[in-house]
Amino acid sequence: QKEVEQDPGPLSVPEGAIVSLNCTYSNSAFQYFMWYRQYSRKGPELLMYTYSSGNKEDGRFTAQVDKSSKYISLFIRDSQPSDSATYLCAPCTGNQFYFGTGTSLTVIP
Amino acid sequence: SQTIHQWPATLVQPVGSPLSLECTVEGTSNPNLYWYRQAAGRGLQLLFYSVGIGQISSEVPQNLSASRPQDRQFILSSKKLLLSDSGFYLCAWSQTGDQPQHFGDGTRLSIL
Repeated sequence: QKEVEQDPGPLSVPEGAIVSLNCTYSNSAFQYFMWYRQYSRKGPELLMYTYSSGNKEDGRFTAQVDKSSKYISLFIRDSQPSDSATYLCAPCTGNQFYFGTGTSLTVIP
Repeated sequence: SQTIHQWPATLVQPVGSPLSLECTVEGTSNPNLYWYRQAAGRGLQLLFYSVGIGQISSEVPQNLSASRPQDRQFILSSKKLLLSDSGFYLCAWSQTGDQPQHFGDGTRLSIL
């Protein structure tokens, strides 16, 4: 069983839609949860960083962690064409980072 | 603020040639440093990480090696490249092991 599972997509939505991106993980020891955004031919860029269960909001982005079901989500409100990118989840414990394979998102104007 | 530089952005090398990719971090001291390879549909594969000068941990046995000659410099090398070494190589840093990692813009390596 993989440490992190992420639907690769691709996901295509119209501008203004609410986007939901999800990951599941298997290791209950994960304590920190990150979301990265990666544009084509660029390195991943840290988008959200949360600790333990709960929600964290930053502008149009909301990260949600449910440790009881080992499920992490990223919601994007009022999606924009500039949100078109690949999104990677990354749970972490101690020194160990595990990156999802990424979900490709296209927001159509 | 901290910045990470990685070069070159693109590299085309013949099979059997040597390799040297360099990564430097500015604006912080004693960072953890990482080398990853990213293949399409396969996510990020951790190759090496370093918690200090001269301290290198290898995650995957392969044709590559890493060195950290200075606090904020991390080098990925190979003596003889294989076709299978093609890929997108990313350098990253973090302040400690459980802090978020910050990535450079990567080197796209093609082996001919």
